[in-house]
Amino acid sequence: DIQMTQSPSTLSASVGDRVTITCRASQSVSSWLAWYQQKPGEVPKLLIYKASNLESGVPSRFSGSGSGTEFTLIISSLQPDDFATYYCQQYSTFPWAFGGGTKVDIK
Amino acid sequence: EVQLVESGGGLIQPGGSLRLSCAASGFTVSSNYVGWVRQAPGKGLEWVSTINSGGVTFYADSVKGRFTISRDNSKNSFYLQMNSLRAEDTAAYYCARHTVGVGLDNWGQGTLVTVSS
Repeated sequence: DIQMTQSPSTLSASVGDRVTITCRASQSVSSWLAWYQQKPGEVPKLLIYKASNLESGVPSRFSGSGSGTEFTLIISSLQPDDFATYYCQQYSTFPWAFGGGTKVDIK
Repeated sequence: EVQLVESGGGLIQPGGSLRLSCAASGFTVSSNYVGWVRQAPGKGLEWVSTINSGGVTFYADSVKGRFTISRDNSKNSFYLQMNSLRAEDTAAYYCARHTVGVGLDNWGQGTLVTVSS
């Protein structure tokens, strides 16, 4: 089974900061990697699919990159609405798997 | 507009059974991959099960042999039959659609399952 590891698990940042979250797969998932945002009490929301494709309606300050086993989610200029927990997910091979999550909170 | 509405959660004793339902609208369940993701209180997301457009089913190791995913094409709905429930199955269960090549692009609001005596 493929394991997904995110780092860091918690990140403190300020509005306007550039934020980088990393996701590593225990074996190649090609580009079959998605990123989700979840705010407290809310349903997860798809941000990025196939590693680097922005879901419709998602602000352009979000971007994704990577392939194989190393992936990155970047928020170019953190906004107040972006304080949330972010998860990566591989959908290359069953069983699918999520990373453990990265909580972005206010510094 | 795509909508997913879960039902069937509740409090159940260890060893018991529960059936979750997810009613879909705005797309055809039988033509898509659909499934379930859960989230234990204060924890991260865990993929549970998926049924693909061909009717093939997939399960996380943690639920294999205890949970069964199915669908009813006439009702445009899908289900998660959960047997031999354990305390560690306590979680919010979300139903979701997976668009091939894209990911879990539509989610229900979640239904809470609590396994406790």
